[in-house]
Amino acid sequence: EAGVTQSPTHLIKTRGQQATLRCSPISGHTSVYWYQQALGLGLQFLLWYDEGEERNRGNFPPRFSGRQFPNYSSELNVNALELEDSALYLCASSLHLFGGKAYEQYFGPGTRLTVT
Amino acid sequence: KNEVEQSPQNLTAQEGEFITINCSYSVGISALHWLQQHPGGGIVSLFMLSSGKKKHGRLIATINIQEKHSSLHITASHPRDSAVYICAVNHYSLYGGSQGNLIFGKGTKLSVKP
Repeated sequence: EAGVTQSPTHLIKTRGQQATLRCSPISGHTSVYWYQQALGLGLQFLLWYDEGEERNRGNFPPRFSGRQFPNYSSELNVNALELEDSALYLCASSLHLFGGKAYEQYFGPGTRLTVT
Repeated sequence: KNEVEQSPQNLTAQEGEFITINCSYSVGISALHWLQQHPGGGIVSLFMLSSGKKKHGRLIATINIQEKHSSLHITASHPRDSAVYICAVNHYSLYGGSQGNLIFGKGTKLSVKP
């Protein structure tokens, strides 16, 4: 069974540009999570999508946005890039959260975004 | 104060030693996760707990819901155990229910010397 995949592996952009990162979840998983790990910092929650809808959002500005497609793959868009957006962006997937039950999350290899 | 606190931040051990990493949290939770991150960045889920104790090979994870505390133990440590170990929780509240996204501790960097 294929794991969570992310593309591209590396992305280099300049300040002010837009970046698009993609994630394909494990087959059967409907929830997709985006996390940011800046150098020297811990993991921070960005966005959670489930069954095509945004379910929760972390403490990030609106220029961080995304969507989930009917096949449950997801896209993270970062507009007006700033130097401090340089980080490893990790996607994870899980089964649909139902009835207050939490599920194990499976992480992709990440996209390393460098903003110059 | 962070909602999830880990200790120690850094840990160096000799091969064969018994290792304990601690995690405390200050919010209601529906589950607690222990994750492992190797230098390349990839993250692997080791355990998900909502009560009691789980064991997988040389790894043991425990949780005390009343004390809001969890521990990860590694028995007979090996250099290949060198990694960052991260504690994370699913937040739960009566108002918002269970959140699917994780809240993370800052991680414990473990180095096991041969």
